[in-house]
Amino acid sequence: EPEVTQTPSHQVTQMGQEVILRCVPISNHLYFYWYRQILGQKVEFLVSFYNNEISEKSEIFDDQFSVERPDGSNFTLKIRSTKLEDSAMYFCASRGRSENTEAFFGQGTRLTVV
Amino acid sequence: AQSVTQLGSHVSVSEGALVLLRCNYSSSVPPYLFWYVQYPNQGLQLLLKYTSAATLVKGINGFEAEFKKSETSFHLTKPSAHMSDAAEYFCAVKRETSGSRLTFGEGTQLTVNP
Repeated sequence: EPEVTQTPSHQVTQMGQEVILRCVPISNHLYFYWYRQILGQKVEFLVSFYNNEISEKSEIFDDQFSVERPDGSNFTLKIRSTKLEDSAMYFCASRGRSENTEAFFGQGTRLTVV
Repeated sequence: AQSVTQLGSHVSVSEGALVLLRCNYSSSVPPYLFWYVQYPNQGLQLLLKYTSAATLVKGINGFEAEFKKSETSFHLTKPSAHMSDAAEYFCAVKRETSGSRLTFGEGTQLTVNP
């Protein structure tokens, strides 16, 4: 069964450092998403990406964040200068063309900023 | 704007008892509704979805949910709880438009007692 894969599963970084979280969406999917879940809180939308551009972003997704689909298979989330409050589980998701299909989520990357 | 409210952050049932997890939504347009399950240290797995077809939706692992427009509800039920059902459950809503985001509820932690 096709699945969304994320690497690494756990990343520890020092405050102020840049991190790149990587995702390989399901191959025939067209919509790509990043969500995050701070420990003990609900899952929050960050950004959606379609046709090689951002289609929607939340207020959380400020200038320190960026997304890229560099090679047609990977989908990355970059955090330029990490803050302690960026510590969270980051989920990548992808969805097919049809509006009534569900988003498939990866296993997540746990980011710890120290 | 759309939102989801899950009543009860923690629900505890005995093995074999009925499981009822409550979800109410707010949406200005016809919504798509989803229930996802998150097992410890894992990603989000789709349990079931409502996409304006049948109002009673059956999902995996014996779960089902009923869309009630008059009550703006989409409660999740299972007739007989199993120990393996212990997990966190998230209700989510999505607008019926292209690529739109999922908005998640706060989550309900289900505990199943022997």
